[in-house]
Amino acid sequence: GQNIDQPTEMTATEGAIVQINCTYQTSGFNGLFWYQQHAGEAPTFLSYNVLDGLEEKGRFSSFLSRSKGYSYLLLKELQMKDSASYLCAVRDSNYQLIWGAGTKLIIKP
Amino acid sequence: DVKVTQSSRYLVKRTGEKVFLECVQDMDHENMFWYRQDPGLGLRLIYFSYDVKMKEKGDIPEGYSVSREKKERFSLILESASTNQTSMYLCASRPVNNSPLHFGNGTRLTVT
Repeated sequence: GQNIDQPTEMTATEGAIVQINCTYQTSGFNGLFWYQQHAGEAPTFLSYNVLDGLEEKGRFSSFLSRSKGYSYLLLKELQMKDSASYLCAVRDSNYQLIWGAGTKLIIKP
Repeated sequence: DVKVTQSSRYLVKRTGEKVFLECVQDMDHENMFWYRQDPGLGLRLIYFSYDVKMKEKGDIPEGYSVSREKKERFSLILESASTNQTSMYLCASRPVNNSPLHFGNGTRLTVT
């Protein structure tokens, strides 16, 4: 079957760096997405990786290794507003999105 | 900015009622989707539509139907609501296959 694994919850300190991992086993691969979802709000798009390597976008970076079925989202200079759930989703060979359950990130002062 | 609007943030319905969840997007997107989001699970696709009058079953279509009579509007219908349909329902749209999804704020449905 198809599976996306990410930690359920992580805690980090304001100003620090945190890495949220995502491992996947899917039938085919056509890209990996990261979304941010604040409590009670819509998920919003953060990043997209289809080739191996690091994509940097301001304080957020996303890394992909297709051979390892692995991605991470790196958040630098953490701010209180970064407290949210982070969703990893992989597009399979049928171009359907398979979603992880999300990682709830708690930022402490 | 793309706006995806879901008509209700919170709904409480009784078992057996017919329930309509409405979703409207304002950016002329071809593709529209209905997901449900439950604690501890990833988003699960209920139905999707690649164009007007078109609909495709997702992973969990049982107990649901959809309607897409106009490009901007995608409705999710629960023919006879049951308590196991208590969930957060998210509508999303995108212009083409490679684009990220744009989500509405969700409708939290409680069936009693």
